[in-house]
Amino acid sequence: GNSVTQMEGPVTLSEEAFLTINCTYTATGYPSLFWYVQYPGEGLQLLLKATKADDKGSNKGFEATYRKETTSFHLEKGSVQVSDSAVYFCALLLSGGYNKLIFGAGTRLAVHP
Amino acid sequence: DGGITQSPKYLFRKEGQNVTLSCEQNLNHDAMYWYRQDPGQGLRLIYYSQIVNDFQKGDIAEGYSVSREKKESFPLTVTSAQKNPTAFYLCASSISRTSGSNEQFFGPGTRLTVL
Repeated sequence: GNSVTQMEGPVTLSEEAFLTINCTYTATGYPSLFWYVQYPGEGLQLLLKATKADDKGSNKGFEATYRKETTSFHLEKGSVQVSDSAVYFCALLLSGGYNKLIFGAGTRLAVHP
Repeated sequence: DGGITQSPKYLFRKEGQNVTLSCEQNLNHDAMYWYRQDPGQGLRLIYYSQIVNDFQKGDIAEGYSVSREKKESFPLTVTSAQKNPTAFYLCASSISRTSGSNEQFFGPGTRLTVL
């Protein structure tokens, strides 16, 4: 079936550290891939996306590259800030039919000064 | 300011009562969705609607009902048949296109607690 697997959290980092949150997927067809971020008590915000293989999505210093050969979409940031503390969700969107988003379980990131 | 609004932000309900959560969007999106989020888990799809007066069950529709009488509005009713309704509920919308990445935009959520 179609699924998304994210690394388990929490991930705890010091400010200015390098961040990687792993995401791998299983899907039929050619999905689009997304990273969403959720701050405490809020809804989800789209962080970045990629719609085809080798596309790189980027936003606010975060990047992720759609790797079809490894079915991965790892999230990276070169230097995290305390304000990046949140839960990050990887998701895939199946092409065709209705727009069904399939989410990973989320990874909590805590950044300390 | 375009966006999705959900109300109320916090909702308390006694066991056995039905309760309706509001979701409104002014993005002119055709498609709307309801998700449930439980602690430490990803989002699970309850219902979705691609067009006015039409909606479909998602993965966990039992104990919930929806209506889509207007393009802007997609209220969710949590009925007394829902065995474990305490959760964070998120509404989303997207442009309904036949191709391209139809990313979904989310509202701020409603936290429902059953007492």
